[in-house]
Amino acid sequence: SAVISQKPSRDICQRGTSLTIQCQVDSQVTMMFWYRQQPGQSLTLIATANQGSEATYESGFVIDKFPISRPNLTFSTLTVSNMSPEDSSIYLCSVEGGGVRNTEAFFGQGTRLTVV
Amino acid sequence: LAKTTQPISMDSYEGQEVNITCSHNNIATNDYITWYQQFPSQGPRFIIQGYKTKVTNEVASLFIPADRKSSTLSLPRVSLSDTAVYYCLLQGGKLIFGQGTELSVKP
Repeated sequence: SAVISQKPSRDICQRGTSLTIQCQVDSQVTMMFWYRQQPGQSLTLIATANQGSEATYESGFVIDKFPISRPNLTFSTLTVSNMSPEDSSIYLCSVEGGGVRNTEAFFGQGTRLTVV
Repeated sequence: LAKTTQPISMDSYEGQEVNITCSHNNIATNDYITWYQQFPSQGPRFIIQGYKTKVTNEVASLFIPADRKSSTLSLPRVSLSDTAVYYCLLQGGKLIFGQGTELSVKP
């Protein structure tokens, strides 16, 4: 199995500022995924981050708002830029593989972001 | 768009068997049917995965008919700690979450 650590676990930020969320995995993985989960809602995929290439963004998400870095096979960051209260959500990092079932996905505990 | 449809919520009592059905009419040949469980303030956790027929592990069973257009997650003898949101996903690449089923287990 893969163990994922996310930092920070929570933060309260002023509107107009940016926050960078870190995701560290205890094993090398090819694909990492970033999700957003708004209060009481399901998870929405923001983007897929592959090492050595630009992230692939889902419809409704753009690189200028959510820049992603993937410097190596165990680490990724997601930045939430120029924040507004609508960005208040839980942001989760996920990876696939590493388990007995090679398509099993593992998730971090999430970063709870509140924008005031 | 989510590829799966589930009931929004279900209620049960401790000790009962709970069956949650998921519809996935447009399942692709290479899709596996996977269920995840999510507790408040935690990331989703893998429960069970199957391709066809029946799969059983230590926590659940998954029933998949021959046409694979639906699946049923079966939780035997639920307890209060099984109160969570359960997501059915088609896993063949990136994971797209539907709305999930909020299961409430009462004493």
